[in-house]
Amino acid sequence: DIQMTQSPPSLSASVGDRVTITCRASQSISNYLNWYQQEAGKAPKLLIFAADNLQPGVPSRFSGSGSGTDFTLTISSLYPEDFATYYCQQSFTTPFTFGPGTKVDI
Amino acid sequence: VQLVESGGGLVQPGGSLRLSCAASGFTVSGKYMSWVRQAPGKGLEWVSVIYSSGTTYYADSVKGRFTISRDNSKNTLHLQMNSLRGEDTAVYYCARGAAAGLSDNWGQGTLVTVSS
Repeated sequence: DIQMTQSPPSLSASVGDRVTITCRASQSISNYLNWYQQEAGKAPKLLIFAADNLQPGVPSRFSGSGSGTDFTLTISSLYPEDFATYYCQQSFTTPFTFGPGTKVDI
Repeated sequence: VQLVESGGGLVQPGGSLRLSCAASGFTVSGKYMSWVRQAPGKGLEWVSVIYSSGTTYYADSVKGRFTISRDNSKNTLHLQMNSLRGEDTAVYYCARGAAAGLSDNWGQGTLVTVSS
């Protein structure tokens, strides 16, 4: 199985900050990497698919990059509603494993 | 597009439960439909997927115990869960995807608690 790791596990930031979260796969997954946001008590929401494609309706302050084994999610300027947990997931092969998550709080 | 899960509840270890996910706004048979779960206070865990072709895949942790299926006439996704264990306690989400492993719409989740 492909293992996904994320760093940092958590971070504290302020409104307006630029935030970068990294995700690493245990083997190459090409660009089969998706990012999800989960607010407390809510279902996950797709932000980025295929490494760098913004899901329609998602604000442009979110962006993704990377290929192979190393990927990043960047929030260019934090809004209050961005304080949440972010998960990466590989969709290269089953099982479609998720990373452990990165919690972004104030 | 809407996904509404049901069927969760309290069940004893070794018991069975059948989750349902009613879809509207699209046809489940034309999409990749997945189940993803989240244990209390933990991260997301992919459970199973059914492709539009009918092919199914499972996480090792549930293989042989869980069965994913769909009822095209009712536009509903199911997850039959047998031989339940404490570690199966979680919120179970159904999700729709335009591609395998990708989930672009999620239900609100249904809680399954396995305890005596």
